[in-house]
Amino acid sequence: GAGVSQSPSNKVTEKGKDVELRCDPISGHTALYWYRQRLGQGLEFLIYFQGNSAPDKSGLPSDRFSAERTGGSVSTLTIQRTQQEDSAVYLCASSLVGASYEQYFGPGTRLTVT
Amino acid sequence: GENVEQHPSTLSVQEGDSAVIKCTYSDSASNYFPWYKQELGKRPQLIIDIRSNVGEKKDQRIAVTLNKTAKHFSLHITETQPEDSAVYFCAAPRGSTLGRLYFGRGTQLTVWP
Repeated sequence: GAGVSQSPSNKVTEKGKDVELRCDPISGHTALYWYRQRLGQGLEFLIYFQGNSAPDKSGLPSDRFSAERTGGSVSTLTIQRTQQEDSAVYLCASSLVGASYEQYFGPGTRLTVT
Repeated sequence: GENVEQHPSTLSVQEGDSAVIKCTYSDSASNYFPWYKQELGKRPQLIIDIRSNVGEKKDQRIAVTLNKTAKHFSLHITETQPEDSAVYFCAAPRGSTLGRLYFGRGTQLTVWP
């Protein structure tokens, strides 16, 4: 079946521009997660959705970062006024219910801020 | 929240040897402990997981052991092969079935032929 998909796969943007990253989770998965992974680093948690609500936004690094999820499915991560330190791979994952179930990761969006 | 610590950060072994990666967690209510493997340039994928009602689980060359009293769990890879080279992440939730996973910082495993 279809896995988690993300778009775009690559995004190059100029410093100061806004970007939107999209995640399509596995159908029926109620939990959705966003992570940031800098080159050679670990998985930095950003935000967690249960359905359309976000009970845990504790990982968002600044108010330039926001995310939403609609229809219990697609999620969009928005970064406003991008900075060079935002350059990273942004990974989305979904799971059937939550933390005690396998997380299926998407292929990621590689964001480069020039 | 949960605090997951993972050691070592890098591990090099000869092909055929065993590799062990250890993680500790802080929340005694945590009940699920997965291990993810991330090959270079690829997405993380679950390789094995264990729930708190068992102490050990095996799947061919990989195994995970859990010590709830000491609050640590370990990944064991036997008869390592070059294709086992990757970054391995452990994780644990904070008690509840819902919510997020707390990931360790990762272990870069290199298997030399």
